[in-house]
Parts: sequence; structure tokens; C-alpha cells
Amino acid sequence: QIHLVQSGAEVKKPGASVKVSCKASGYTFSAYYIHWVRQAPGHGLEWMAWINPNSGGTNLALKFQGRVTMTRDTSISTAYMELSGLASDDTAVYYCARGEKLWFYFDSWGQGTLVTVSS
Amino acid sequence: DIQMTQSPSTLSASVGDRVTITCRASQSIGNWLAWYQQKPGKAPEALIYRTSTLKSGVPSRFSGSGSGTEFTLTISSLQSDDFATYYCQQYNTHLWTFGQGTKVEIK
Repeated sequence: QIHLVQSGAEVKKPGASVKVSCKASGYTFSAYYIHWVRQAPGHGLEWMAWINPNSGGTNLALKFQGRVTMTRDTSISTAYMELSGLASDDTAVYYCARGEKLWFYFDSWGQGTLVTVSS
Repeated sequence: DIQMTQSPSTLSASVGDRVTITCRASQSIGNWLAWYQQKPGKAPEALIYRTSTLKSGVPSRFSGSGSGTEFTLTISSLQSDDFATYYCQQYNTHLWTFGQGTKVEIK
């Protein structure tokens, strides 16, 4: 059974950075992209970026370029997303999700990590 | 970037109703369209991919159709477990975008 387990909630001050982890189990970690999607309170889903755990290659939505860094540690099947220059409108639940390879949708999701940005 | 527009934003319905949600893309996306259900405080769950293919375990009362720029999600007979928010999602050239969501609430 596929599981994606994310790190716990974070509270950060404006201008700080946050790093969220996503530990995968139940499948071959390197074989599937990991995506990051966020959801601000009361708002919809926003796709942010993906990482190819096999190569480390990444791609980001334009608005996050320069602020998001994604890494992975294949030895522990874990992907990381670091968001820098936090502002209040970065307050959101951040989800990791596994990218299905043929039809490009998200077939399994982590439980979400709430990041609160507040002074 | 491709924009996805869902309608309606909110839908009030009763158990047993047939419900249809529409998703329009700002340009053609072929069949690269998926639908998700999200309940409050929970992660989204995929229902349909490739426009009309039901993910394993999803009840057959859910169906999807469309191509190009216009797509629909239909629930043939709404059940109490279906009251949730639904999102469409497109894929195009290594970028993904979601619709803004449709909340299906109890009438």
C-alpha cells in the first residue's frame, strides 16, 4: 500500500524559510515523480513543482521559481521542499503527491503540512 | 499558462440527484484531465484520470467526459458521502493546473 507521510506543522516568521519532508513507502521511490501542491485557507489547490527522485531533476511553476528548492534522499525514500522568503500569503497546507507516469495525475497524496507565516 | 475554469462554484443538491460539474480549459488539453474529491481537512483523492477513466475503487456513479477544452464530471445519483469539493486538473508540457473547485453541498 502506497503511503506518503509528511512532516509536522510549522510556524515561521516573515522572511524565513521552511522545509517540508515527504517520506514514501509501498513502492519504488525513484520510479515516480513527487509533486508539491499547496492550499491556502479556504482556497483551492495550487500546483507548485515536481522532482524526479531518480535524477534529481525538477520543474517549478513560474511563480515559485527562485523561491522553491526541492531535494531528495533516495536512501530513505524522502523528498523535501524548501520555500524561502516566506510571506503571510504563503500560509497554507502543503501537500506532496505521487505523479502517475502515464496520465499525469496525482494518484496518492500525503496528509498535508500546515505552514503558518506570522510575525 | 493554461487556465482551468470550473462551474458552478457551489452546487446545492439532494441525495439521489444527478449532478454535473463543468471544467473549461483556456486552450486544448487533449485528454489530459483528471478529477479529484476533497473533504474538509483531508487531502484530495483522485476519482478520474484521462478524462473518463475511473481510478480503481471509485464508485461507478462517477463518470467523466469531454475533450479539447470542455469536460464534465457527472455523479449519477448523489450519495451522502459525495458532499465535498471537486477539482479538475490538467497537464500540459510539464505544467499542471487546477480548477478553482466546485463545492457540492446539501440542499
